[in-house]
Amino acid sequence: QSVLTQPPSASGTPGQRVTISCSGSSSNIGSNIVNWYHQFPGTAPKILIYRSSQRPSGVPDRFSGSKSGTSASLAISGLQSEDEADYYCAAWDDSLNGWVFGGGTKLTVL
Amino acid sequence: EVQLVESGGGLVQPGGSLKLSCAASGFSFSNYWMTWVRQAPGRGLEWVANMKPDGSEKYYVESVKGRFTISRDNAKNSLYLQMNSLRAEDTAVYYCVRDRMDSSGWSADFDYWGQGTLVTVSS
Repeated sequence: QSVLTQPPSASGTPGQRVTISCSGSSSNIGSNIVNWYHQFPGTAPKILIYRSSQRPSGVPDRFSGSKSGTSASLAISGLQSEDEADYYCAAWDDSLNGWVFGGGTKLTVL
Repeated sequence: EVQLVESGGGLVQPGGSLKLSCAASGFSFSNYWMTWVRQAPGRGLEWVANMKPDGSEKYYVESVKGRFTISRDNAKNSLYLQMNSLRAEDTAVYYCVRDRMDSSGWSADFDYWGQGTLVTVSS
């Protein structure tokens, strides 16, 4: 059981907007930034969103992140087939004194 | 170009030991936190350990405390993970990760990942 809770799966059709939620607690998301990573099959994860809402260079503005209270969300607009991947949220946990990840969400583009 | 290349993975019996290495290049290694993240087959990501740029502080996930030791050699641009008393549940791909700092000097995010090295604990 992961400290951060994500839905195991999400799906959408090309062009749609999908959101992936990440629920935590006051010791992690409630008091620290959230980062999002994506991972394509057989490859290493890559950073997608940092500091809850910032995009690294090269990440399309179709991807956006937000945080409110003890929850965070990743939104993907204009869904494309190449967005099919696993998505993970992460935050530092002050009680555990370490990073915690969500269990991951597998995004399928129908 | 930032590169992180892990080595040292392999098959080990339960109770055995293994030392992973990570060779870093393309950035000023001594200025960055460094992290190990693992992923069991078919499972999600799990943070294992990280350490400050000067090695003064180290942090571990509860399940590896007392068994794993993270270390670094800034002169050699290398990160290590000594794994002792290995268990079947330690079987995973282990990623070496560059850990960016925030303005206060604390671990903030994982911006570069190696390709991973597979550790299999089995008799």
